[in-house]
Amino acid sequence: AQKVTQAQTEISVVEKEDVTLDCVYETRDTTYYLFWYKQPPSGELVFLIRRNSFDEQNEISGRYSWNFQKSTSSFNFTITASQVVDSAVYFCALIKGFGNEKLTFGTGTRLTIIP
Amino acid sequence: NAGVMQNPRHLVRRRGQEARLRCSPMKGHSHVYWYRQLPEEGLKFMVYLQKENIIDESGMPKERFSAEFPKEGPSILRIQQVVRGDSAAYFCASSPPVAGVAETQYFGPGTRLLVL
Repeated sequence: AQKVTQAQTEISVVEKEDVTLDCVYETRDTTYYLFWYKQPPSGELVFLIRRNSFDEQNEISGRYSWNFQKSTSSFNFTITASQVVDSAVYFCALIKGFGNEKLTFGTGTRLTIIP
Repeated sequence: NAGVMQNPRHLVRRRGQEARLRCSPMKGHSHVYWYRQLPEEGLKFMVYLQKENIIDESGMPKERFSAEFPKEGPSILRIQQVVRGDSAAYFCASSPPVAGVAETQYFGPGTRLLVL
């Protein structure tokens, strides 16, 4: 069975600081997909990124970047120059296999940006 | 292109009543997933449906819970004889019908169920 671990329950940083959210996953499948979602205080879930197991290239999107390392089974998320609007709960998730299947979520990291 | 729609956004029921949660997927999406988020917890998978078929219901409680996705109309998650432990946020997600690839699941705003 697959598992996603987000060891950081809560993180607080001062605005403009950089912050990294950790995600470690477990799966026996050689093909899998990793995701990050953001849940702001309003409660909806916002998709951030999807990455398949064959693509280890790091990705940058504005102030967001993701570091995928198969050797350590990690898919970490960094926010550069954090802003108050980044305050949210962030979830890492995994889908195993080739097709459409259920997402296995981590327990989330609550990020608070202090103005 | 409208996103995933869920209604109602908030639902209050007394113990023993029935709760019906509706989900309309994004246009062009034929795969629907239901997840439950208990207070201060992550999301747990409940059921995966395609039109008129339940593909995976491994996360559904064996009793009182059922789901459907008819040929016409929204997907329905039905909870009979609700208990206080059913109080949670229920999220629906949808994805397009692409074979051989795990497509992104886009989530609706959720239905917050409170059982009194």
